[in-house]
Amino acid sequence: DTAVSQTPKYLVTQMGNDKSIKCEQNLGHDTMYWYKQDSKKFLKIMFSYNNKELIINETVPNRFSPKSPDKAHLNLHINSLELGDSAVYFCASSQDIASGNTIYFGEGSWLTVV
Amino acid sequence: AQSVTQLDSQVPVFEEAPVELRCNYSSSVSVYLFWYVQYPNQGLQLLLKYLSGSTLVKGINGFEAEFNKSQTSFHLRKPSVHISDTAEYFCAVTESGYQKVTFGIGTKLQVIP
Repeated sequence: DTAVSQTPKYLVTQMGNDKSIKCEQNLGHDTMYWYKQDSKKFLKIMFSYNNKELIINETVPNRFSPKSPDKAHLNLHINSLELGDSAVYFCASSQDIASGNTIYFGEGSWLTVV
Repeated sequence: AQSVTQLDSQVPVFEEAPVELRCNYSSSVSVYLFWYVQYPNQGLQLLLKYLSGSTLVKGINGFEAEFNKSQTSFHLRKPSVHISDTAEYFCAVTESGYQKVTFGIGTKLQVIP
């Protein structure tokens, strides 16, 4: 059983299109995240949700909109895709990280905008 | 504010040689420290973490790290690397009581046969 699963794994799309990445965790965690990893492997947090409520919203263009229908799911919708959005997007989950809990990552979604 | 510095972006090492990947952090409060590993085309997974107690922490695949509070460091070591250890390694820090984790820029470990 995959703990954090995200789909699709690979996505190639044209500039201007709208796309979504879905994520589900079966670990019973309260917190879920979206991270973006660029070509230099730099990992940047985009959003964090705790029990379906947004708690971290870093400086991310409004074209990116997360949605959490329940605490086990956190989807990412991207409007009007741009070349610079090409990256690997990781979904992750954890229990309370303020207590030193581990973050569990999905396998990543490779987005290429052409 | 917390921060993490990984001093080496790439570390080439021959197979069966020892390796040390360096990590320094900055924080004004007590911290939790982590090392995550990312194998090619995969997500990150926990290698080991320091929460409290013994400053020497052992992790998976023969890795260990030592928390040094006076030097604000958490260096990762392995006495003998294998080809399969080729991966990107990320140091991370969380301040106790805060809902934020900061990742370093990563160190690419390249094991040479």
